[in-house]
Amino acid sequence: KAGVTQTPRYLIKTRGQQVTLSCSPISGHRSVSWYQQTPGQGLQFLFEYFSETQRNKGNFPGRFSGRQFSNSRSEMNVSTLELGDSALYLCASSLFAGGNQPQHFGDGTRLSIL
Amino acid sequence: QQQVKQSPQSLIVQKGGISIINCAYENTAFDYFPWYQQFPGKGPALLIAIRPDVSEKKEGRFTISFNKSAKQFSLHIMDSQPGDSATYFCAASHQGAQKLVFGQGTRLTINP
Repeated sequence: KAGVTQTPRYLIKTRGQQVTLSCSPISGHRSVSWYQQTPGQGLQFLFEYFSETQRNKGNFPGRFSGRQFSNSRSEMNVSTLELGDSALYLCASSLFAGGNQPQHFGDGTRLSIL
Repeated sequence: QQQVKQSPQSLIVQKGGISIINCAYENTAFDYFPWYQQFPGKGPALLIAIRPDVSEKKEGRFTISFNKSAKQFSLHIMDSQPGDSATYFCAASHQGAQKLVFGQGTRLTINP
């Protein structure tokens, strides 16, 4: 069974640009969550989607947004990029929404802002 | 109240020894506690998870011990191997939300 697939693996952008990251969950999984990983802040929750609806949102500015499609694939978008947005962005999928569901992570997209 | 505190930040253990990583939480609504293992260049991989209705769960060489009254849980790696060298994260979540709150991570090195 294929795992969580994230594309692209690496991205280099400049300040002020916008970026879209993609996530394909494990087949059959309907919930997708996004996390940001940095050396200073660690792993932080961005948002969770289930049935094309955002269920939870972390403490990030409105420049960070996402969506989920009917096939459960998800995208996240960051607008007006800042240097501090440089991070590894991780997507995790689980069978259903709600707590206590095992979440399986992809290998992430490494975003570098110049 | 949403924090999960993890210690130590780094740990060096001899091959064959026991590696122990500890986590503490404050939010009593947390009811799911997974541990993840992350290798460089890879995403976190789910190792083992526990719910507060049990005090211990074992899977192979990995054991989670859970102390509900102290709001603490720990990961024990028995017979530690060089291949176990990685960063380990504890996490917590509560019913109704897939939001995982992570500890800061422990970099584990197993010396051969």
